[in-house]
Amino acid sequence: ETGVTQSPTHLIKTRGQQVTLRCSSQSGHNTVSWYQQALGQGPQFIFQYYREEENGRGNFPPRFSGLQFPNYSSELNVNALELDDSALYLCASSRLRAKSPDTQYFGPGTRLTVL
Amino acid sequence: QKEVEQNSGPLSVPEGAIASLNCTYSDRGSQSFFWYRQYSGKSPELIMSIYSNGDKEDGRFTAQLNKASQYVSLLIRDSQPSDSATYLCAVNASPGTASKLTFGTGTRLQVTL
Repeated sequence: ETGVTQSPTHLIKTRGQQVTLRCSSQSGHNTVSWYQQALGQGPQFIFQYYREEENGRGNFPPRFSGLQFPNYSSELNVNALELDDSALYLCASSRLRAKSPDTQYFGPGTRLTVL
Repeated sequence: QKEVEQNSGPLSVPEGAIASLNCTYSDRGSQSFFWYRQYSGKSPELIMSIYSNGDKEDGRFTAQLNKASQYVSLLIRDSQPSDSATYLCAVNASPGTASKLTFGTGTRLQVTL
């Protein structure tokens, strides 16, 4: 158990819809990173939030957006869902400090299916 | 060229043997290296982290890092059936800033009885 929680566990949506996924970080952690893991692939970095601001973004279109709240929890929003968005969405929590290794601990994930 | 490369496997080892998992990376500026274990349908679980050249041991697990060869490996001694999972190698090129992890596709390990 990492102390990182995600909701919901599973979600089924149709193409064109919008979805919001939620993540609560581990106690003492100030950073949340989101990853997308397609079947048979490694996780792909979507973006990271630190102090309520986006702190780095991977190669994902603008319809993927996020928020971080003062309690360090975070949301991932995906608009105009496409079939290829079907994946396991992982939230990782860490404590970001300058020039220090950033060890990221993953939550259980949200399995999104787009029909 | 992929940024982080792993043999997808499956790697099959008998119970009690040593499993050796390998990973190469392309970014010479990479500074932090991680091994995660992922059971089917579950999220990645941190097994080991390593930051300096050489070996780091934790119980049955040993991580080895060679920055000159851009190579990191994980040895699992006395392999158990419960070790059967996919092992993900992850690399962080810029810790302390926008510290994204870049993952390989994972190596599936099967420990046979």
